[in-house]
Amino acid sequence: DVKVTQSSRYLVKRTGEKVFLECVQDMDHENMFWYRQDPGLGLRLIYFSYDVKMKEKGDIPEGYSVSREKKERFSLILESASTNQTSMYLCASSLSGRYLGAQTNGYTFGSGTRLTVV
Amino acid sequence: DAKTTQPNSMESNEEEPVHLPCNHSTISGTDYIHWYRQLPSQGPEYVIHGLTSNVNNRMASLAIAEDRKSSTLILHRATLRDAAVYYCILRGYGNKLVFGAGTILRVKS
Repeated sequence: DVKVTQSSRYLVKRTGEKVFLECVQDMDHENMFWYRQDPGLGLRLIYFSYDVKMKEKGDIPEGYSVSREKKERFSLILESASTNQTSMYLCASSLSGRYLGAQTNGYTFGSGTRLTVV
Repeated sequence: DAKTTQPNSMESNEEEPVHLPCNHSTISGTDYIHWYRQLPSQGPEYVIHGLTSNVNNRMASLAIAEDRKSSTLILHRATLRDAAVYYCILRGYGNKLVFGAGTILRVKS
């Protein structure tokens, strides 16, 4: 029944490392999203994608990039991990968000990846 | 995005109904009202959404005020598994989900 899968539940990386967080969905959704969640700050949108090879910046894209080579997979990349990127990262997907009726489409979230940068 | 206001926390007894309020006085005519919840150590999950009429599904009911400036998520019989953070979110056309602080619901046995 699991529909959005994040590759790792827990991850520990060193400062300066390049980090890949992977997300796969099996619902044929067009839209995919990456959020991070921090105590007191809630969930904040990092990047999202409306289609393959498409990406758009969210509210806090600095220090991150993304890749969407296939419809089902959306990767979040930390080019050079820093301690302030220690966080819970959540991936989500939804049906098309560009067209009429998009407001009714629910998001399906993964269980999250807790990343610690030391 | 129009803003919503929710209480920081609420407490309920098991097996009793729970009414979670949300104020959204600046809602526009095309904004849908969405509710999500986040159980401990999990990602948020969709609960329900509505535009003008009250809505029911297997998880909950959504009561929307006639002027749409407020809404209430109703859990008909709270269980311990319903303890979570509940988010009330407005979505306009083409808008993404923007999460606020939500309401922490505690359920006592």
